[in-house]
Amino acid sequence: NAGVTQTPKFRVLKTGQSMTLLCAQDMNHEYMYWYRQDPGMGLRLIHYSVGEGTTAKGEVPDGYNVSRLKKQNFLLGLESAAPSQTSVYFCASTQGLAGAGSSYNEQFFGPGTRLTVL
Amino acid sequence: SQQGEEDPQALSIQEGENATMNCSYKTSINNLQWYRQNSGRGLVHLILIRSNEREKHSGRLRVTLDTSKKSSSLLITASRAADTASYFCATSRYNFNKFYFGSGTKLNVKP
Repeated sequence: NAGVTQTPKFRVLKTGQSMTLLCAQDMNHEYMYWYRQDPGMGLRLIHYSVGEGTTAKGEVPDGYNVSRLKKQNFLLGLESAAPSQTSVYFCASTQGLAGAGSSYNEQFFGPGTRLTVL
Repeated sequence: SQQGEEDPQALSIQEGENATMNCSYKTSINNLQWYRQNSGRGLVHLILIRSNEREKHSGRLRVTLDTSKKSSSLLITASRAADTASYFCATSRYNFNKFYFGSGTKLNVKP
């Protein structure tokens, strides 16, 4: 049981290049999330998905696109990278059923992708 | 924004002492969770407290929630050097879907 995995772990891009970050989970979770973490700013939600074939915008979606073609995978794309997108990117998943205090609300995180845009 | 804010931003204590960190938020919540992040790693879930609960324990962790003040505290008792990490609170609302994280408290436990 690998949990949540992210590929790649590190990447350096030049301004204007594109790339795709892959997140995979083997827990059969419904909900998946992409966050970015910048120094001193905590985690900010980029996009999320509440099920296969669905996506929705989070707090900071500009410059990113996502796809959830398979339940276990959530892809984050940067079409034209900018230095402002230099960050650590985390993927997370949760089983996703609502309800006060449900254990389904616990998020499982991947190890992160450190992206530098020059 | 519903984003939580942790206080203090940084905390340095000796091994064996207790560490207390606080989280404040702005809107009604379904539950509040605390996560730990070791340097260079992903976040790990520690404990969840429901909006109708006031206190919860898990091992050396004690979490309180005051919905009237929109605040929560995390107490780590008898701290160890291995507790050195950043701690984040996260809230979610009744319609679920999204989590809101604070900016974290960086805890340093000196051996």
